Amino acid sequence: QSALTQPASVSGSPGQSITISCTGTSSDVGSYNLLSWYQQHPGKAPKLMIYEGSKRPSGVSNRFSGSKSGNTASLTISGLQAEDEADYYCSSYAGSSVVFGGGTKLTVL
Amino acid sequence: QVQLVESGGGVVQPGRSLRLSCAASGFTFSSYTIHWVRQAPGKGLEWVAVILYDGSDEYYTESVKGRFTIPRDRSRNTLYLQMNSLRVEDTAVYYCARALRVWRDWDAFDIWGQGTMVTVSS
Repeated sequence: QSALTQPASVSGSPGQSITISCTGTSSDVGSYNLLSWYQQHPGKAPKLMIYEGSKRPSGVSNRFSGSKSGNTASLTISGLQAEDEADYYCSSYAGSSVVFGGGTKLTVL
Repeated sequence: QVQLVESGGGVVQPGRSLRLSCAASGFTFSSYTIHWVRQAPGKGLEWVAVILYDGSDEYYTESVKGRFTIPRDRSRNTLYLQMNSLRVEDTAVYYCARALRVWRDWDAFDIWGQGTMVTVSS
C-alpha cells in the first residue's frame, strides 16, 4: 500500500489561512469516507483533528476544517496561530488496512 | 480518565523478539478496536496492525506479516504486540491507538498512548 501524498511543508503568517492537500487513489481516499487528519507536535503523540473527511471531534477548534473531492482530501486551518505549528498527517482506510500520508510540516512565520 | 499506556520498548538485536504492551483504562476495553502505529525516527506515521474489537480477525501491514502478532488479555485490559525476527527497519516509536467509536474497527484514532521506543541494532 503506497502512502498518501502530502506536500512536505507549508507556511503561513498568523491570522492567515492555509490548506494542506492529501492525494490518494480510488482504492483508499476515493472509495471510503474514512479520511482523518492528525496534528503532531515534536515528541508528542498525534492528536485527531478531523474524521470522516470533515467532522471535528469535541474540543477541536472550528478553525480546522476538512473536505474531500474524489481522491483528494484537504485540511484548512484558518486564523493561523503560533500553536498550530506542527506536523500534520492524513490517513485513510484502504481495505483491511490503514494508509497514512507522508506528513506536512506547518510553519507559522 | 481514558488512556492507553505502552511499555516494553528497548534495544534489541536483529533477529530477536520483543513484546510491547498497551494497557487501557477508563473505557470498556472489549468494545473498542485498538491499532498499532509506528513512527521511525524523523519519519512519518505507519500503520502496523490491528485486532478487531471482538477478536474475530487480525490484520497486518505487509512488512510485518508472519513476524508480528497481537495477543490480548481482556482480564488485564491489555493488548500486546509480539514482535519476532526483528529487523533494523523495525526501529521506531510504537503507539497503540483506539478507534473513535465503539464496535467500529476501521475508524479514526482518538486516543493514543505516549509511545514506546524500539531500537533494533547490533
